[in-house]
Amino acid sequence: QQPVQSPQAVILREGEDAVINCSSSKALYSVHWYRQKHGEAPVFLMILLKGGEQKGHEKISASFNEKKQQSSLYLTASQLSYSGTYFCGTGNFGNEKLTFGTGTRLTIIP
Amino acid sequence: NAGVTQTPKFQVLKTGQSMTLQCAQDMNHEYMSWYRQDPGMGLRLIHYSVGAGITDQGEVPNGYNVSRSTTEDFPLRLLSAAPSQTSVYFCASRRTGGVTEAFFGQGTRLTVV
Repeated sequence: QQPVQSPQAVILREGEDAVINCSSSKALYSVHWYRQKHGEAPVFLMILLKGGEQKGHEKISASFNEKKQQSSLYLTASQLSYSGTYFCGTGNFGNEKLTFGTGTRLTIIP
Repeated sequence: NAGVTQTPKFQVLKTGQSMTLQCAQDMNHEYMSWYRQDPGMGLRLIHYSVGAGITDQGEVPNGYNVSRSTTEDFPLRLLSAAPSQTSVYFCASRRTGGVTEAFFGQGTRLTVV
């Protein structure tokens, strides 16, 4: 079953902060975050692992609450380049299956 | 490295026709997956594979077949196309060895009329 993301869409002015949430009905072992620009393929942002380890390479932070089966992505001082649709993906126990959420469309305006 | 390559980029099919969407990766990744993307529904997993000869169903497998004869290729077959299969299809690959990031192809936009 797909994880559920909220909000579905958000519009921000440049410099404002955003939080995107991802909730799963199943136990979480890992959470992935990706960003997709219009007409392009999704691109990796970061991975959060059960136990707290985080792997990523952009100046965006995230949290992973195992008990609540939730993850949140934090975008601070948003830039125009942050616009796009954000997807969370949840991995199963063996990590071979990656299931993505419903997406959050983020629009940054000047 | 080319990464993940999908062909064709665009395709129009008539209802009832069959076709194969191609996906190839040159990164020696064991894990490969097919997703479809529809407005408001995000990326939904169709089928996935953990290595040559091993495939499994995702959330929306009906109407699609897959096989994995080599590590590099993971084709998706539509047996009898229906308008409900109009979508954008993405192939993705990941390496094994812990929790690893997915690399996506550029997508195939399929329209069934």
